[in-house]
Amino acid sequence: GAVVSQHPSRVICKSGTSVKIECRSLDFQATTMFWYRQFPKKSLMLMATSNEGSKATYEQGVEKDKFLINHASLTLSTLTVTSAHPEDSSFYICSARGVQGSDSYEQYFGPGTRLTVT
Amino acid sequence: AQSVSQHNHHVILSEAASLELGCNYSYGGTVNLFWYVQYPGQHLQLLLKYFSGDPLVKGIKGFEAEFIKSKFSFNLRKPSVQWSDTAEYFCAVRFNKFYFGSGTKLNVKP
Repeated sequence: GAVVSQHPSRVICKSGTSVKIECRSLDFQATTMFWYRQFPKKSLMLMATSNEGSKATYEQGVEKDKFLINHASLTLSTLTVTSAHPEDSSFYICSARGVQGSDSYEQYFGPGTRLTVT
Repeated sequence: AQSVSQHNHHVILSEAASLELGCNYSYGGTVNLFWYVQYPGQHLQLLLKYFSGDPLVKGIKGFEAEFIKSKFSFNLRKPSVQWSDTAEYFCAVRFNKFYFGSGTKLNVKP
């Protein structure tokens, strides 16, 4: 099946610094990528939808100036957490959607990135 | 507001027991339905999906799910679980975007 990677898998940063997380589709082109945040014992919360070559669409309540998303190519989307604070500590997961067709709504998930802000 | 509910947060079963995990959603229109599994230390993987047609969907590893439109449900079932089924299971529903349930942790005792 399709493979999506994320880098780094874990990152610890100091409060006030910025952190970039990469999401790559390894064996397919993804015109759309999604960024989720997973809270302990809670469901995945969609943060934003990233479309290649255009601005990301953010969900209500997600600060676009804080969570910068760039989708510069069909295989790479990045999420930058700017001026991180301890409350930004979480598990961030990306997913990529395949090309149009029967699987057009199927998402392939990355392994996630554990962010800890100290 | 649209939502997805998974009623069982933690389920413990012995091997060979039957499994049914509940999933209900709140939306009256057309939906696409998914079950994902996350094995310990691994990423989310698709178990099965429903777009249209036969409401009884067969997935990988012996799992199946039944879409009951009148009940807004998409319960996951497996007749006989194995220790290797120990994982967290997420129901997801796509209306205009994806909504995930809070997950059910399944522990299968050998």
